Amino acid sequence: QKEVEQNSGPLSVPEGAIASLNCTYSDRGSQSFFWYRQYSGKSPELIMSIYSNGDKEDGRFTAQLNKASQYVSLLIRDSQPSDSATYLCAVKGPNQAGTALIFGKGTTLSVSS
Amino acid sequence: EAQVTQNPRYLITVTGKKLTVTCSQNMNHEYMSWYRQDPGLGLRQIYYSMNVEVTDKGDVPEGYKVSRKEKRNFPLILESPSPNQTSLYFCASRKGFTYNEQFFGPGTRLTVL
Repeated sequence: QKEVEQNSGPLSVPEGAIASLNCTYSDRGSQSFFWYRQYSGKSPELIMSIYSNGDKEDGRFTAQLNKASQYVSLLIRDSQPSDSATYLCAVKGPNQAGTALIFGKGTTLSVSS
Repeated sequence: EAQVTQNPRYLITVTGKKLTVTCSQNMNHEYMSWYRQDPGLGLRQIYYSMNVEVTDKGDVPEGYKVSRKEKRNFPLILESPSPNQTSLYFCASRKGFTYNEQFFGPGTRLTVL
């Protein structure tokens, strides 16, 4: 059974701080990794994707991937109250048709002003 | 505007009464999926389609049917709903099988009494 694990939180950080969200996965053959943001009552929205080891930066967001340790993380710099949401880690296996995207249960982030 | 639409957004029904949740996308995407989201279980894929007339089971297909007669539409059919199908349902579409541009619909909250 392929699993994606996340700490459910809530993770509470003050405005302006760095929020660090972590995710581990069980399938060593996983090739693609995604972070989705989901506001309460809304649909998931893709915010970052990462495919190779190292860091990938996009604005205030940085995704980090370490395939040897089977973890992927998301850093949010200068956190804002509008970043308060549930963050879903998603992992995909080998790059072929029909391979499902496995989601973690999500980490709830609360940014206080 | 590129979007995935679902109808209805909210539905309360009774056990055994057949229902259909519609999903439509205007991005000419080949791939479409249905997910359900439950507290403590996260997002799980029910069915997916790789193109017209090509569908396959996801992780939790029992009690559901789908069809893909047109590229833009991917309805989810519950022929005899049961209370354990009470959930939040999301339709999603993407261009290819790589998930790097997957768009979710707004969700359908289904309650089966």
